[in-house]
Amino acid sequence: EAQVTQNPRYLITVTGKKLTVTCSQNMNHEYMSWYRQDPGLGLRQIYYSMNVEVTDKGDVPEGYKVSRKEKRNFPLILESPSPNQTSLYFCASSFADPNEQFFGPGTRLTVL
Amino acid sequence: AQSVTQPDIHITVSEGASLELRCNYSYGATPYLFWYVQSPGQGLQLLLKYFSGDTLVQGIKGFEAEFKRSQSSFNLRKPSVHWSDAAEYFCAVGANNAGNMLTFGGGTRLMVKP
Repeated sequence: EAQVTQNPRYLITVTGKKLTVTCSQNMNHEYMSWYRQDPGLGLRQIYYSMNVEVTDKGDVPEGYKVSRKEKRNFPLILESPSPNQTSLYFCASSFADPNEQFFGPGTRLTVL
Repeated sequence: AQSVTQPDIHITVSEGASLELRCNYSYGATPYLFWYVQSPGQGLQLLLKYFSGDTLVQGIKGFEAEFKRSQSSFNLRKPSVHWSDAAEYFCAVGANNAGNMLTFGGGTRLMVKP
């Protein structure tokens, strides 16, 4: 089944404790993105990647890192999480721009 | 920079009634437009998209949307709403050669009365 998977789905952590949210897609998509969803703000793009080893900042990259060492994986790294990063995070992937993006199920992160 | 406005945060309609969700965008060139739906606790599912051609676009689940360049709008419509349509709906605009970045509106939460 074609899908985007994220892990974990739920995470509660404390300020400053490094964490990684994994994202994997099995559709051989070139493009992958991370978004955060906050009430009333819709989804905002954090980082995106157009291919292996090619990443760039989206609208709200501060406090996040990403890497794209393999085509299928695009982990999101929070080196020192803060409470304002409490949010619902979505990974998405697609073929060449522009195109439909396929979204993962989301990861709900709470930073205490 | 592109932007999307969904003026209605909440909408309540009766089951069987017609529905129109508003979306206005700002973008300097021809936009790529999308409507996504998010059911409670779920990810986003694409309802329909507009890239070019016919300005009336048909999507899944009986939804359609009309691109009106003169009004910078891409409103979503459905002639008869079902209870299962209760969800949050997001309009998004994409720009070519921009890393496939989508800019989303704030969303409209649809509630359906029996």
